[in-house]
Amino acid sequence: GAVVSQHPSWVICKSGTSVKIECRSLDFQATTMFWYRQFPKQSLMLMATSNEGSKATYEQGVEKDKFLINHASLTLSTLTVTSAHPEDSSFYICSARVGTGLNSPLHFGNGTRLTVT
Amino acid sequence: AQTVTQSQPEMSVQEAETVTLSCTYDTSESDYYLFWYKQPPSRQMILVIRQEAYKQQNATENRFSVNFQKAAKSFSLKISDSQLGDAAMYFCAYRGSGGSNYKLTFGKGTLLTVNP
Repeated sequence: GAVVSQHPSWVICKSGTSVKIECRSLDFQATTMFWYRQFPKQSLMLMATSNEGSKATYEQGVEKDKFLINHASLTLSTLTVTSAHPEDSSFYICSARVGTGLNSPLHFGNGTRLTVT
Repeated sequence: AQTVTQSQPEMSVQEAETVTLSCTYDTSESDYYLFWYKQPPSRQMILVIRQEAYKQQNATENRFSVNFQKAAKSFSLKISDSQLGDAAMYFCAYRGSGGSNYKLTFGKGTLLTVNP
């Protein structure tokens, strides 16, 4: 089956630094990937839609200059949290669309737990 | 904008019993997709079952089935013969079918506990 690999699984960084999270589709090409954020015991909130070869589409309220998304190939999207602050600590999950049809399923990565100290 | 509401923050069930998780949604679209995802402690999102709105027949996957009431905009999940491994957070999700709108809107989730 389709596998989405997310790396790293967890990361601790200091305030003011930047951290990059990778999302890879291992056995399929993904023209569209999605980045979600999940606070403890809460739901997944869509941050942005990542489109291969074009700019990401950000949801309202998400700072595009803070959460940089790059989808340079059909198998890799990256999310970079720039100038991280403790309030950016969260669980980040990516998902990728398998195929192009309306019925195409989404597969999720294992998520990345970010802790900013 | 579409919204998804899960009114039960927590539910519990005895092993081997049946439990139903509720979900309602709001949309102006006539064609869309509904999903139930399971998130165990590992945090991996696992698709449990999905329903196309244009299909009247309720989807079934082994012990999991849904009660889809389109007019009432209700989409409940029934888990039969509950197992300890079913314990997880369950999220109801909505996806439209128009154009490039492929993003999922999630409910707040229901934490299911299975008691031995």
